[in-house]
Amino acid sequence: GQQLNQSPQSMFIQEGEDVSMNCTSSSIFNTWLWYKQDPGEGPVLLIALYKAGELTSNGRLTAQFGITRKDSFLNISASIPSDVGIYFCAGRTRGSTLGRLYFGRGTQLTVWP
Amino acid sequence: DTEVTQTPKHLVMGMTNKKSLKCEQHMGHRAMYWYKQKAKKPPELMFVYSYEKLSINESVPSRFSPECPNSSLLNLHLHALQPEDSALYLCASSPVLVRGEKNTEAFFGQGTRLTVV
Repeated sequence: GQQLNQSPQSMFIQEGEDVSMNCTSSSIFNTWLWYKQDPGEGPVLLIALYKAGELTSNGRLTAQFGITRKDSFLNISASIPSDVGIYFCAGRTRGSTLGRLYFGRGTQLTVWP
Repeated sequence: DTEVTQTPKHLVMGMTNKKSLKCEQHMGHRAMYWYKQKAKKPPELMFVYSYEKLSINESVPSRFSPECPNSSLLNLHLHALQPEDSALYLCASSPVLVRGEKNTEAFFGQGTRLTVV
């Protein structure tokens, strides 16, 4: 299947700091999604991106669909303790069967008060 | 109601047992999904149902048997599982996706934590 390279694998930051994580693929994607998963819960969709170059915000979160269609990044500004969790990028390629999402390996975020 | 409800939350079963995981949504979504997730790994797609018909089976072993009895319910029947099948099983639903359109993405349930002993 498609490989999504998500980095960093983990981040340890202080409350108030900004965070940036990204995802790259070897194939062209037509949809990029960012999910957050808390322990013992299912993933929750944070931001969905559908057009190359698209920049979308959701509160303190901002994500962009890369111009090459092979990457996306997520920024979190002024982090707070409840930002702790695992962040996954996910996407769909142009030719893949609808319904098939490819996931990155996740970024584990820890926020120190 | 924007919830996907999964039962049970936790399940411990022996390798000779037969059990079922249940998933329910009342958002009118006609696509439903089963994912398997191991600790600290991303979700892995197992099955996709579209209009109550199986549209994707990701080469899942036959000891996992999905069923979609109606548009609101999705079951996963388990039989003769192995300890390595222990994982979080996630159900998700969405409207049936349309290529080239801005789709409503999948809502995930909280999952069933399955332990096979």
